[in-house]
Amino acid sequence: QQQVKQSPQSLIVQKGGISIINCAYENTAFDYFPWYQQFPGKGPALLIAIRPDVSEKKEGRFTISFNKSAKQFSLHIMDSQPGDSATYFCAASSPETSGSRLTFGEGTQLTVNP
Amino acid sequence: DAGITQSPRYKITETGRQVTLMCHQTWSHSYMFWYRQDLGHGLRLIYYSAAADITDKGEVPDGYVVSRSKTENFPLTLESATRSQTSVYFCASKQYEQYFGPGTRLTVT
Repeated sequence: QQQVKQSPQSLIVQKGGISIINCAYENTAFDYFPWYQQFPGKGPALLIAIRPDVSEKKEGRFTISFNKSAKQFSLHIMDSQPGDSATYFCAASSPETSGSRLTFGEGTQLTVNP
Repeated sequence: DAGITQSPRYKITETGRQVTLMCHQTWSHSYMFWYRQDLGHGLRLIYYSAAADITDKGEVPDGYVVSRSKTENFPLTLESATRSQTSVYFCASKQYEQYFGPGTRLTVT
């Protein structure tokens, strides 16, 4: 079964700190790994994504680190701000599935204290 | 404006009633999806569609029906609503990257 396991379930970080959310997968056919950010009452929004040909991708304060051999990827939020408080979902997809459907992790609720 | 919209945004219905949630996208994306989001379960795929008139079941299709007569619309129907279908429903569309709509909060009393 295709699964993506996400941890931690919740995370509290002080303003200015680094937030780290981890995901692990089993299916070696996965070739696309996006992260979504969801604020209360809103739909998930694509934040950043990576493909396995690179080990790291950075966009502003957000970085994805990818470890193909360990089948793990993580989201790092540098200089975390209260406005980053949201639920974050990792996901993965494989070209072998119709539409390259996304398999989602269960989400991490991030709280950044001022 | 271009994007993906859902209606209604909030709906309260009674057990046993039929209710239809609407989804419309302006990008002409091939793929469209319906998810439900419940505490402790993340996002679960209900149905998806690869193109007009092509639909397929996701993880949790029981109690739901979909249709896609036009590329831009993908309605989700609960034929006889049950309390367990109280949830937040998200529609999404995809060509290369997947984008979500704002969601519909459905309460079944």
